[in-house]
Amino acid sequence: KAGVTQTPRYLIKTRGQQVTLSCSPISGHRSVSWYQQTPGQGLQFLFEYFSETQRNKGNFPGRFSGRQFSNSRSEMNVSTLELGDSALYLCASSLDTGGSYNEQFFGPGTRLTVL
Amino acid sequence: GENVEQHPSTLSVQEGDSAVIKCTYSDSASNYFPWYKQELGKGPQLIIDIRSNVGEKKDQRIAVTLNKTAKHFSLHITETQPEDSAVYFCAGIYSGYELNFGKGTSLLVTP
Repeated sequence: KAGVTQTPRYLIKTRGQQVTLSCSPISGHRSVSWYQQTPGQGLQFLFEYFSETQRNKGNFPGRFSGRQFSNSRSEMNVSTLELGDSALYLCASSLDTGGSYNEQFFGPGTRLTVL
Repeated sequence: GENVEQHPSTLSVQEGDSAVIKCTYSDSASNYFPWYKQELGKGPQLIIDIRSNVGEKKDQRIAVTLNKTAKHFSLHITETQPEDSAVYFCAGIYSGYELNFGKGTSLLVTP
């Protein structure tokens, strides 16, 4: 079974631009979460989607948004990019059988550099 | 929300020795604690996890222990090998969806 895939793997943008990142979960997984990883802040939760609905959101500004499609694929968008948005953006998928804990499996990430 | 603290931030051991990484959490309602290994240029890989109704879990050279009363959990790697060198992250889940990560431990295993 293929793992979580993320595209593109690397991206360079300039301040003020916007960017869209894509994530395809493991086949059969319906929950997709996004995390931002930086050397200073570590891994921080952005948001989580299940059946095209955002169920939980982390403490990030409204410039960060996402969506999930009917096939469980997800995209996240960052508008008006700032230098501080440079990070590794990770997507994780989960089977989510309705239990109180869900194993999450990560993709390789998209490395975003803002100049 | 949950706050997870992880120690040490760096750890160097000789091949064959054991390595122990410790984490504490703040929210007693947290019920699931995974450990991830991240190698350079890759995403975090789930290596072992433990649920709040279990005190210990072992998988070959890797084991995790959980002390709910003290709110801490630990990763134990025995007979370390150079390929164990990576950054290890502990995490806790409070709501079921959001992983709260520790800051990571950079483990170096020297031959």
